[in-house]
Amino acid sequence: NAGVMQNPRHLVRRRGQEARLRCSPVKGHSHVYWYRQLPEEGLKFMVYLQKENIIDESGMPKERFSAEFPKEGPSILRIQQVVRGDSAAYFCASSSRQINEQFFGPGTRLTVL
Amino acid sequence: DAKTTQPPSMDCAEGRAANLPCNHSTISGNEYVYWYRQIHSQGPQYIIHGLKNNETNEMASLIITEDRKSSTLILPHATLRDTAVYYCIVRVATQDSGGSNYKLTFGKGTLLTVNP
Repeated sequence: NAGVMQNPRHLVRRRGQEARLRCSPVKGHSHVYWYRQLPEEGLKFMVYLQKENIIDESGMPKERFSAEFPKEGPSILRIQQVVRGDSAAYFCASSSRQINEQFFGPGTRLTVL
Repeated sequence: DAKTTQPPSMDCAEGRAANLPCNHSTISGNEYVYWYRQIHSQGPQYIIHGLKNNETNEMASLIITEDRKSSTLILPHATLRDTAVYYCIVRVATQDSGGSNYKLTFGKGTLLTVNP
């Protein structure tokens, strides 16, 4: 059952370090979405990517955050110079088409010390 | 996307049917009703979706009222592992290059607790 895979599952960083979160979509899915869930809150959309293209990054903070989905390999969410407020669970989802249901990965829990 | 209203919490006895309501009175004609759930510390799990007809799969049934202003997710025989937060989401599910139908808007959902 090759669902959405995310790694690492847990990531601890000190303030100012970089965090790289990886997401491998369901095999054959070319649409990837990243969501963030702050403690005690619902999931919030961050970015939508389709192979090599960023379709919508309206939910991403303007600074320090970037995302990519290269032709080969997993999608990467990169957070530079992390701050304590970046501590959250980051979920990746994928779909076979934009309008189809999204399947989520187990998430990466980022803790910034 | 239209907003949804769900009760914050519900209890259900193990083995009984769990009926989770959702109000979406401003739903548009091209918006589907989706249900996801999130078991503690896990990623959201897709359950089911529908437009206007009732739907059933191996996990649950979805009953949508004729006027489409509300729906009910039914777990026919709830188990302890069904304890989770259940999210009702309405979403345009047509290919529309000008819209953002891909964004899932998660509200607070309903915390369903299945008791032994």
